[in-house]
Formats: sequence, structure tokens, C-alpha cells
Amino acid sequence: TQLLEQSPQFLSIQEGENLTVYCNSSSVFSSLQWYRQEPGEGPVLLVTVVTGGEVKKLKRLTFQFGDARKDSSLHITAAQPGDTGLYLCANYGGATNKLIFGTGTLLAVQP
Amino acid sequence: DTAVSQTPKYLVTQMGNDKSIKCEQNLGHDTMYWYKQDSKKFLKIMFSYNNKELIINETVPNRFSPKSPDKAHLNLHINSLELGDSAVYFCASSLRGSDEKLFFGSGTQLSVL
Repeated sequence: TQLLEQSPQFLSIQEGENLTVYCNSSSVFSSLQWYRQEPGEGPVLLVTVVTGGEVKKLKRLTFQFGDARKDSSLHITAAQPGDTGLYLCANYGGATNKLIFGTGTLLAVQP
Repeated sequence: DTAVSQTPKYLVTQMGNDKSIKCEQNLGHDTMYWYKQDSKKFLKIMFSYNNKELIINETVPNRFSPKSPDKAHLNLHINSLELGDSAVYFCASSLRGSDEKLFFGSGTQLSVL
């Protein structure tokens, strides 16, 4: 079963700082989804990247898909307390083509 | 209106009891899922139903039995609850199935004492 490793596992920063979180796999992704899960809620899709080298922007969030489609990164510029949450990458894989989630990065942005 | 709603939000029960979690989606989606999120926040699929038919059944103890009376509902019944069943259970849905975004409910936090 494909394993999606995310790093760092935990990140605590001050408001206004920049940060990058990573999602890596030993296998090639067909596509990759990024979700954010706020405390007490379910994950919500932020973006899907499909093409190697693709860059997508969502306000202060920049998502990049590796050229070889085995890794992805999420960069947040000028983080705000509202960015606090669990960031999850996910990929369809396995014999039944199910959505497999990464190990997650728990981000806390202090005001 | 909530797209994917599950009840209850919190469930505290004793070991050995039987409990159910209900899920409903009003998005008109064909596929529904149950995921389990453990204490380390790892989210793992348990079951998937497509139009009331079981599609995915991960290596879940048979004490867990999903039931889909129609494609808008997917309930989860758990028999003989164990301490290790304590987790947050999420219901989700997608339009068809593979290669699509999932819409999640807000979760049911199950605590087995």
C-alpha cells in the first residue's frame, strides 16, 4: 500500500511567518489532493494537482507538484491564526483505488 | 443546509456495548464512505458504498457493520465495543467514486470507557 509521508509532523509559528509543508511518496502519484481539517470538523479539499511541475495558488497558499509526481509541497505566506489546522495530502491508490491520506502536518499559528 | 451530516457528534459508552452512527448526504452523490481517524490524526478508510452496494471493505473487525438503506444514507453499527475503538469516525461522500474530491461530515468522537 502506498505510504504518503508528510513533514513536519507538527509546526507552531507566529502570525506573519512563512512556512512550507511537504508530502512525499516512493510511488508516482496520478494526482494529489490537499485537504485542511480544522479542529472539530472534517477535512475540506483545498486543491487538486495533476500535472508534474504544476503550481496552483489559492490566496496565500501555493501548491506545487513535483516534476516526477512523487512529491508535493504547500507553502503558506504570512500565516494567520485562521490557517491553524491539520493539513493532509491524499492520493487515490491501491487495488480498489481508494483515497489514501498522508500522515498529516498539524499547524498552529499563534497571534 | 449541511451537505454531509452525521450524528451523534459525541458518543461516550462502556466496553461491550453496541452503538450506531448515522450519516446522511444531500448532495446527490453516488458514493459514501466511513473513515476512522486515530489519536495521531491518521485518517484511514474503513468502508465505501456506491449506490447502496459495498465497494471497499478494509481489514476492519466484523464487529463493524455498515448499512446503506439508500444512496443518501450510510450508517455504521458497532457491536461489542472495545477500548481500541475510541477514535473519531468520519462519514464522507463523492459524486461517483474514484479520482474525485470527498465531502466530509464533521465527525463523531467515540470514547469507549
